Amino acid sequence: ETGVTQSPTHLIKTRGQQVTLRCSSQSGHNTVSWYQQALGQGPQFIFQYYREEENGRGNFPPRFSGLQFPNYSSELNVNALELDDSALYLCASSSGGADIQYFGAGTRLSVL
Amino acid sequence: EDQVTQSPEALRLQEGESSSLNCSYTVSGLRGLFWYRQDPGKGPEFLFTLYSAGEEKEKERLKATLTKKESFLHITAPKPEDSATYLCAGTFAGSYKLIFGSGTRLLVRP
Repeated sequence: ETGVTQSPTHLIKTRGQQVTLRCSSQSGHNTVSWYQQALGQGPQFIFQYYREEENGRGNFPPRFSGLQFPNYSSELNVNALELDDSALYLCASSSGGADIQYFGAGTRLSVL
Repeated sequence: EDQVTQSPEALRLQEGESSSLNCSYTVSGLRGLFWYRQDPGKGPEFLFTLYSAGEEKEKERLKATLTKKESFLHITAPKPEDSATYLCAGTFAGSYKLIFGSGTRLLVRP
């Protein structure tokens, strides 16, 4: 059984650019949640996808958007990058929204 | 607004010196309380979930407990490999998102 995998592991962008982060959910899981973790802080919820539909969103602006595909993998897109977007982006998958969420290793995004 | 607060922010222990980490949460509407371990540069690793006051779960040197207003992660006779950041998170009525505390950074010295 494969766990949650994220790509790329590291990414460097400049302010104003756009970025796409990818996540493959754990086998058998149909729900993916995305979190942003700033240095020294706990993860902050961005949004959750259940069976290809957005199923809840945190306090993030619309330039943060996502997709879930029929195989339950997911993408996080961030437009018009700002310096404060520099963080570790975590993907978590679960079997349904209420179940235990299992995390990937994250993508470290640096915005210069 | 639902909140989760962890204390202390950092904890240094000698190998074998037992201690406890605290997690307090907004009392109304808790669905579940989760503990994760996070190593530097890695994603959180699931440890325990608790749903009812009085519930306890154990794994090796770790034991998690839940009361009506807080949770504790007890570490018995810790080893240097237990050094990590321990994150507490809750899910609350009306949402399945995890609300995290800021974590406790644990350092166990040999």
